[in-house]
Amino acid sequence: GNSVTQMEGPVTLSEEAFLTINCTYTATGYPSLFWYVQYPGEGLQLLLKATKADDKGSNKGFEATYRKETTSFHLEKGSVQVSDSAVYFCALVDQKVTFGIGTKLQVIP
Amino acid sequence: GAVVSQHPSRVICKSGTSVKIECRSLDFQATTMFWYRQFPKQSLMLMATSNEGSKATYEQGVEKDKFLINHASLTLSTLTVTSAHPEDSSFYICSASRREDGYTFGSGTRLTVV
Repeated sequence: GNSVTQMEGPVTLSEEAFLTINCTYTATGYPSLFWYVQYPGEGLQLLLKATKADDKGSNKGFEATYRKETTSFHLEKGSVQVSDSAVYFCALVDQKVTFGIGTKLQVIP
Repeated sequence: GAVVSQHPSRVICKSGTSVKIECRSLDFQATTMFWYRQFPKQSLMLMATSNEGSKATYEQGVEKDKFLINHASLTLSTLTVTSAHPEDSSFYICSASRREDGYTFGSGTRLTVV
């Protein structure tokens, strides 16, 4: 079946640091890949997505590229802010949505 | 983009009582909605797929009689946790999909059973 492997947190960074959250997947078909963000006490919000190989999703300074050869969809941001503190979920969508375990990001001033 | 409204956001109930959680698609019709459960420090686990006008499809290990799902219209699905117990305390999230937006999630319901 499909699966998503995501680095466990928490990840603690200083403001303006570079962020990478790794995500790899296994899938039998040709899924779409997503990153969702969950702020404290809230539901999930779509951050970005990519629907096919080599697509790059981007939003709010975050980027992720769908790499079929490495089955990866790593999330990056060049300069994080305190307001980026949240839990980030990598997800694979085929017939259903399969989530990674979530990575908690803490950005300190 | 698509909006999914979930209510209530928080609920505290006594052990043995039932709790209903509503999930509404506000600006689109959703023939299929999904219910997830999130345990502390864990990912979201799909509980069931709610199909408008027909029975829900439950994932393996999810008790159908405890988690009743009703999808009576194209904009509303409800999850009823029956005879709730403290181990049912969790964060429940619904989602619906629309082709152009992908999956949209509700804001979640924090259920605490005391």
